[in-house]
Amino acid sequence: DTAVSQTPKYLVTQMGNDKSIKCEQNLGHDTMYWYKQDSKKFLKIMFSYNNKELIINETVPNRFSPKSPDKAHLNLHINSLELGDSAVYFCASSQLAGGPETQYFGPGTRLLVL
Amino acid sequence: AQSVTQLGSHVSVSEGALVLLRCNYSSSVSVYLFWYVQYPNQGLQLLLKYLSGSTLVKGINGFEAEFKKSETSFHLTKPSAHMSDAAEYFCAVLIQGAQKLVFGQGTRLTINP
Repeated sequence: DTAVSQTPKYLVTQMGNDKSIKCEQNLGHDTMYWYKQDSKKFLKIMFSYNNKELIINETVPNRFSPKSPDKAHLNLHINSLELGDSAVYFCASSQLAGGPETQYFGPGTRLLVL
Repeated sequence: AQSVTQLGSHVSVSEGALVLLRCNYSSSVSVYLFWYVQYPNQGLQLLLKYLSGSTLVKGINGFEAEFKKSETSFHLTKPSAHMSDAAEYFCAVLIQGAQKLVFGQGTRLTINP
């Protein structure tokens, strides 16, 4: 059983389009995250949700909007895609926010904006 | 602000040789420390973590790391490299009481036959 899953795995789209990436975790965790990995492999947190409530928003453009319908899901919607949005997006989850909990990562979604 | 520096974006060792990947961090508060590994086209997998207690922590696949508070370091080692160790390795800190991991820039490990 996959602990943290993401769909789609690959996403190729045109500039200006709107797209969504879905994330689901079956670990029973309370906290979920979105990270962006750029072309130089640098990883940076974008958002964090705890029990469906936004707790971290790291100065991400308003075009990015996370949505958490329940604590097992955290989706990422991106409006008006730009070339610079091309990256790998990782979803992660952990048991508790603020504690020394291991974050478990999904396989990533490779987004290419043309 | 917290930061993590991994010395060497690319490390190359021979199969059977010692692996040493360096990680230093900067933080004015207590942190938890992690090493993750990323195999090509895959997500991140936890190798090991330091939370408290013994400063020498053992992880999966024969890796271990030592936390040295005086040096603000958390270097990753493995006595004998295997071809399957070729991957990208990330050091990360989690600030106590905070929710986000702060990652280093990663070190790509190449194993030569």
